[in-house]
Amino acid sequence: QQPVQSPQAVILREGEDAVINCSSSKALYSVHWYRQKHGEAPVFLMILLKGGEQKGHDKISASFNEKKQQSSLYLTASQLSYSGTYFCGTESLGNLRRTYKYIFGTGTRLKVLA
Amino acid sequence: GAGVSQTPSNKVTEKGKYVELRCDPISGHTALYWYRQSLGQGPEFLIYFQGTGAADDSGLPNDRFFAVRPEGSVSTLKIQRTERGDSAVYLCASSPDLAGGEQYFGPGTRLTVT
Repeated sequence: QQPVQSPQAVILREGEDAVINCSSSKALYSVHWYRQKHGEAPVFLMILLKGGEQKGHDKISASFNEKKQQSSLYLTASQLSYSGTYFCGTESLGNLRRTYKYIFGTGTRLKVLA
Repeated sequence: GAGVSQTPSNKVTEKGKYVELRCDPISGHTALYWYRQSLGQGPEFLIYFQGTGAADDSGLPNDRFFAVRPEGSVSTLKIQRTERGDSAVYLCASSPDLAGGEQYFGPGTRLTVT
């Protein structure tokens, strides 16, 4: 039931790009993305509500393919501050209705090196 | 403004004891979520409230866990007869409303059952 994220871990140099994927076995209404630094609470990045939607701000963007029940997070020109663990939080549909219940993925540890 | 606060930040208790964990959401936020996070894992959904009522408590592991939000603001997660397996970081998150979705997490309460 838990969404699967890939890769599990990635190491980048500053300025490099990364893609983090989130795949669910359930029909989804929305996908959230969060970043969590060690010992801190998760911080909201963005939410995608519609199939095929793509959002972005600054150098972080995301897409949501409703049919494939997948979302991807794109990090471009990575900065040291991007280091942390990224989680997707998926909201599934229950009887074709929103559940407002978020199941978090397995996480992707990202480390950006100078 | 003030963010989500949780007290205590750390709680060490003996197996079999009762504990209460408190969450103060952002003022005006109607939705409140409780999660449990073990080391290296994503947040695990426990329960969410819309206003005073628990809209979905399907994530509570068993009947030793109970949560209330009597006035639609502060929430308390109560754990009876604690077990060593209950040890984790308990996170609270609030959201302006269910439809919006973005969640603001508190710093968490680290519960250790000895």
